[in-house]
Amino acid sequence: NAGVMQNPRHLVRRRGQEARLRCSPMKGHSHVYWYRQLPEEGLKFMVYLQKENIIDESGMPKERFSAEFPKEGPSILRIQQVVRGDSAAYFCASSPLSDSFMGYTFGSGTRLTVV
Amino acid sequence: KQEVTQIPAALSVPEGENLVLNCSFTDSAIYNLQWFRQDPGKGLTSLLLIQSSQREQTSGRLNASLDKSSGRSTLYIAASQPGDSATYLCAVRRVTSGTYKYIFGTGTRLKVLA
Repeated sequence: NAGVMQNPRHLVRRRGQEARLRCSPMKGHSHVYWYRQLPEEGLKFMVYLQKENIIDESGMPKERFSAEFPKEGPSILRIQQVVRGDSAAYFCASSPLSDSFMGYTFGSGTRLTVV
Repeated sequence: KQEVTQIPAALSVPEGENLVLNCSFTDSAIYNLQWFRQDPGKGLTSLLLIQSSQREQTSGRLNASLDKSSGRSTLYIAASQPGDSATYLCAVRRVTSGTYKYIFGTGTRLKVLA
């Protein structure tokens, strides 16, 4: 029973390029959450998705960032025209229900470096 | 607005000491509280999950308590070992903007010296 899988583990992009981060939730989990951890800061909520729906994107920057969770395949966090300030660790978590008493299971993260 | 504070920010102790990590939150209307461990460059490992109706949870050398009324949780680590060195994160889960999500503290960086 694999946990939450994120790939790539490390991603290097030049300024202006696009970054695509992928997250496959645990088997049986249909709720996905993305968090960002800037250097020396805590994890900040970005977006909450269910299959084919964005439920809460209150933490997403207004421009350049988008997320999807299609009916088939992993959830994707997409960052267009990356800037140095986007360098961070991006974590995905999943749960079986929105109000699951079991809490979240986190992936190992994708560390994005913008050069 | 829910804020989560962890004290101390960093802690260095000799091996074998019992220690307490503190977490405080400003809004007592939480759904649950979870303690995580994060090793450098790694993901988050769940340590203990306390539901809002519970007062404490135990796992091995770890014990976490929750006092909702005072907005506090503590993580107690008994007989600390060098392998316990990591950053410990506290996260409270509550409904905001109509959805359940976690609000994280900035963590306590623990170093246990051999």
